[in-house]
Amino acid sequence: AQTVTQSQPEMSVQEAETVTLSCTYDTSENNYYLFWYKQPPSRQMILVIRQEAYKQQNATENRFSVNFQKAAKSFSLKISDSQLGDTAMYFCALEGPNNDMRFGAGTRLTVKP
Amino acid sequence: DAGVIQSPRHEVTEMGQEVTLRCKPISGHNSLFWYRQTMMRGLELLIYFNNNVPIDDSGMPEDRFSAKMPNASFSTLKIQPSEPRDSAVYFCASSFFSNQPQHFGDGTRLSIL
Repeated sequence: AQTVTQSQPEMSVQEAETVTLSCTYDTSENNYYLFWYKQPPSRQMILVIRQEAYKQQNATENRFSVNFQKAAKSFSLKISDSQLGDTAMYFCALEGPNNDMRFGAGTRLTVKP
Repeated sequence: DAGVIQSPRHEVTEMGQEVTLRCKPISGHNSLFWYRQTMMRGLELLIYFNNNVPIDDSGMPEDRFSAKMPNASFSTLKIQPSEPRDSAVYFCASSFFSNQPQHFGDGTRLSIL
């Protein structure tokens, strides 16, 4: 079974500062993919960043980067230069080789002006 | 390119009624997913299809729930009879096969009175 754990229900950060959201997961698969999705109040689910488990290099996407520790089964998201528009729920997700995606419970991030 | 299209955006109905949610995936995508999001249980994968064939429906909560994908451009999720505990936001997502990122629709907010 695949599980995803986000241990921080809520976080806040000052505008322009850096924040890190934690995620741990468990899977018996060797081939899998990890994602961070953002859900603003509009309730859209927006892909933030994606990491293939076979790649050692951490994925980056502009102000968003991940710290992927495969042995520790950890996949944290770092948001640099936080902006008010980053306020949202953030979901960590794990997808196995059969396209079955499991989501964490989410972290509600508030960026304060 | 149009994204995943879900209808209706909102649905309010009385318990016992049949509810049908609709989804049009992104053209060319091979995989389609139905999710349910509630405060208590978060985002849950209900069922997914590859090439119009249901692969895993273990997330479907009860026999009252059924999903079909008659062709590559259309899927339905049906609840009959509906109950108040079915109230949730239902998302449809699609992707290319083989672990490409899933693109989500805007969701249907379902309220069963």
